[in-house]
Amino acid sequence: KAGVTQTPRYLIKTRGQQVTLSCSPISGHRSVSWYQQTPGQGLQFLFEYFSETQRNKGNFPGRFSGRQFSNSRSEMNVSTLELGDSALYLCASSLSATGHTEAFFGQGTRLTVV
Amino acid sequence: GESVGLHLPTLSVQEGDNSIINCAYSNSASDYFIWYKQESGKGPQFIIDIRSNMDKRQGQRVTVLLNKTVKHLSLQIAATQPGDSAVYFCAEMGGGGADGLTFGKGTHLIIQP
Repeated sequence: KAGVTQTPRYLIKTRGQQVTLSCSPISGHRSVSWYQQTPGQGLQFLFEYFSETQRNKGNFPGRFSGRQFSNSRSEMNVSTLELGDSALYLCASSLSATGHTEAFFGQGTRLTVV
Repeated sequence: GESVGLHLPTLSVQEGDNSIINCAYSNSASDYFIWYKQESGKGPQFIIDIRSNMDKRQGQRVTVLLNKTVKHLSLQIAATQPGDSAVYFCAEMGGGGADGLTFGKGTHLIIQP
């Protein structure tokens, strides 16, 4: 059974640009969550999607957005990139509608903003 | 705001010994807890979880203990191996997952030969 797949693995972008990251969850998993990981702030929750609907959202500015497709694949977009957006972006998938089940993470996308 | 925190940033143990990694949480509404292991360059790997209606759960070489009275969570790793070297995070969830998983800062487990 394939795990959570995130693409691309690495990205370098310039300030002001926008970026789109992709996540394919484990087959059968309908919940997809996104997290940002930085050395200073650790792992922080961005948002969660279930059945193409954003159910929950963390404390991030509106420049961070996402969506989920009918096949449960998800994308997140960051517009007007800032240097502080440099981070490892992680996607996690789970079966549960409530989130109270095992959440499995992908390898992440390492975004560097220059 | 409330958050999950870890007592020690680094833990060094001898190969073969047992390791105990601790985590303190402050959100009394949390009802689900997970331990993750993250190796360099990889995403967090699920180790074990526990719900608030339990105080102990065992897996293969790992045990998680939950003390709701003092809001404390621990991960015990038996017979620590070199492959156990990683950063370990505890994460908690409450309120139906409205805030996703809240992660602690992590403990770096170092295995001495």
